[in-house]
Amino acid sequence: QQPVQSPQAVILREGEDAVINCSSSKALYSVHWYRQKHGEAPVFLMILLKGGEQKGHDKISASFNEKKQQSSLYLTASQLSYSGTYFCGTGSSNTGKLIFGQGTTLQVKP
Amino acid sequence: DAGVIQSPRHEVTEMGQEVTLRCKPISGHNSLFWYRQTMMRGLELLIYFNNNVPIDDSGMPEDRFSAKMPNASFSTLKIQPSEPRDSAVYFCASSSTEYEQYFGPGTRLTVT
Repeated sequence: QQPVQSPQAVILREGEDAVINCSSSKALYSVHWYRQKHGEAPVFLMILLKGGEQKGHDKISASFNEKKQQSSLYLTASQLSYSGTYFCGTGSSNTGKLIFGQGTTLQVKP
Repeated sequence: DAGVIQSPRHEVTEMGQEVTLRCKPISGHNSLFWYRQTMMRGLELLIYFNNNVPIDDSGMPEDRFSAKMPNASFSTLKIQPSEPRDSAVYFCASSSTEYEQYFGPGTRLTVT
């Protein structure tokens, strides 16, 4: 089942913070976060694994609550380059198979 | 490395025609994924391969869709016959671990 992301859209001013949430009804092995700019391919940001392991970009942080099957992506001191659509992808095993949420559109204004 | 390569980048075809999309994964990656993206349905996994073997094709919408991976450096997604509702951007992605997937630039398919 497709994970649910919230909010659907966010508008920020440069320097402001944002939180994007991802919730699944299934037990999760991993949560992946990707960003897609208009007309481009999704780009990997971060992965959070069951058990606490994380891997991703230094300037982006995220959390994974295994019991609640929820993850949050934290964007701090936003920059214009953060604009795009953010997708969470959830995996129920270590196969790499992901089911993506519907996306959260983030717009950062000067 | 050149990244994941997809061709063609754009395809316009008429309903009923056969369409073949191509993908060259990153050298050394052993997993390959085909996704379809539309406004209505978002980013959907169609099929994925591990070591050239199809592992899960539960996302393939119907028998008109087929995918092959004859070797580690090439995969195809074929639609025959194509229909207007197949219009979408099709992405191929590859990975070497359970971590990040590297997406190709996509093929924008329009079926008229």
